[in-house]
Amino acid sequence: SAVISQKPSRDICQRGTSLTIQCQVDSQVTMMFWYRQQPGQSLTLIATANQGSEATYESGFVIDKFPISRPNLTFSTLTVSNMSPEDSSIYLCSVEAGGRTEQYFGPGTRLTVT
Amino acid sequence: SQQGEEDPQALSIQEGENATMNCSYKTSINNLQWYRQNSGRGLVHLILIRSNEREKHSGRLRVTLDTSKKSSSLLITASRAADTASYFCATDAQEDDKIIFGKGTRLHILP
Repeated sequence: SAVISQKPSRDICQRGTSLTIQCQVDSQVTMMFWYRQQPGQSLTLIATANQGSEATYESGFVIDKFPISRPNLTFSTLTVSNMSPEDSSIYLCSVEAGGRTEQYFGPGTRLTVT
Repeated sequence: SQQGEEDPQALSIQEGENATMNCSYKTSINNLQWYRQNSGRGLVHLILIRSNEREKHSGRLRVTLDTSKKSSSLLITASRAADTASYFCATDAQEDDKIIFGKGTRLHILP
């Protein structure tokens, strides 16, 4: 199993500003995933972050809006840039167990944009 | 595109009763997983069933998979207050090897 922590756990931000969310894993992993969960909705994959390469973004998400860093095998950051109220969501990072058997999730970052 | 679609969207039952949630999906899968999410927190993996399996048990959980109907069900027996949560199915699609989450079922266990 993997234990994942995220910082901050929640934040209230003003429109037009940016927030960087950190994700720390207690073991080395190849791929880390960033999800968005809008209020009362399911999870939508934003991007997959591999160490040493550019993140792969899903349709509807772009690097300028959600830049991702992956400096090593245990850490990643997601920045939500130039925020608007529509960005208010829970942002979750996750990692896969070997063989795509399951994902382990961080506790999430609850973002409110005013 | 969205793979899993759970129903019902919300379910309230008395403590001690059984809760059944269903998930339908659209394309061929490698496996299907069920997750629980408590009150907007991170998701916790409950159980995985592979495409060549039809039924799987884990404690009070029973999962079935019907690949011909592209559907799965999650049964929680003898429900407890602590089972109150949202439950999501997630499919690992063969065509693009991506894991897609359904919209979830909000389960509320009444005392």
